[in-house]
Amino acid sequence: DTAVSQTPKYLVTQMGNDKSIKCEQNLGHDTMYWYKQDSKKFLKIMFSYNNKELIINETVPNRFSPKSPDKAHLNLHINSLELGDSAVYFCASSQDMPGELFFGEGSRLTVL
Amino acid sequence: AQSVAQPEDQVNVAEGNPLTVKCTYSVSGNPYLFWYVQYPNRGLQFLLKYITGDNLVKGSYGFEAEFNKSQTSFHLKKPSALVSDSALYFCAVRDYSSASKIIFGSGTRLSIRP
Repeated sequence: DTAVSQTPKYLVTQMGNDKSIKCEQNLGHDTMYWYKQDSKKFLKIMFSYNNKELIINETVPNRFSPKSPDKAHLNLHINSLELGDSAVYFCASSQDMPGELFFGEGSRLTVL
Repeated sequence: AQSVAQPEDQVNVAEGNPLTVKCTYSVSGNPYLFWYVQYPNRGLQFLLKYITGDNLVKGSYGFEAEFNKSQTSFHLKKPSALVSDSALYFCAVRDYSSASKIIFGSGTRLSIRP
């Protein structure tokens, strides 16, 4: 039973489109995150929610909008996709702040 | 700002030999430090963390890390490398400006040759 699951695993789309990535965790954690991993494998935090409340909002274009309908879900919606958005997006969760992060398998986004 | 540095992009070790993956940190206050491993096409997996206490921290898969305050280092070690240890390793630190934020280093690719 997957602890942190993301869908879709792969996403190929055209510039200018809008897409969403969904994340769900069944660990009962209070805090969830979105990280972006670029082609050089560098990981950068984008957003974090604690109990549905946004607590970290890094310098990310406002084309990116996270939504947390409940503490077990954190979705990422991206408007007007650009070539530079191509990356692997990881969802993660943790109970402690900070503590051990549990990562999903990643969603590879390719913008053509 | 808090940060970690991983000075080596790649580390190559023969199977059975000891391995070290280096990490140095820069924090204000007491550091919370972590090591994660990423296998190809997978998410990151937690290996170990240092919060306080014993400077030698033991983690998963036989890995350990030594916290050295005077050298501001937190190197990852294993006495005897396995081919299956080949992966990308990330050092990370808690950012005091935001309790929830964990900042990752640039990663070190560990390659173990048979």
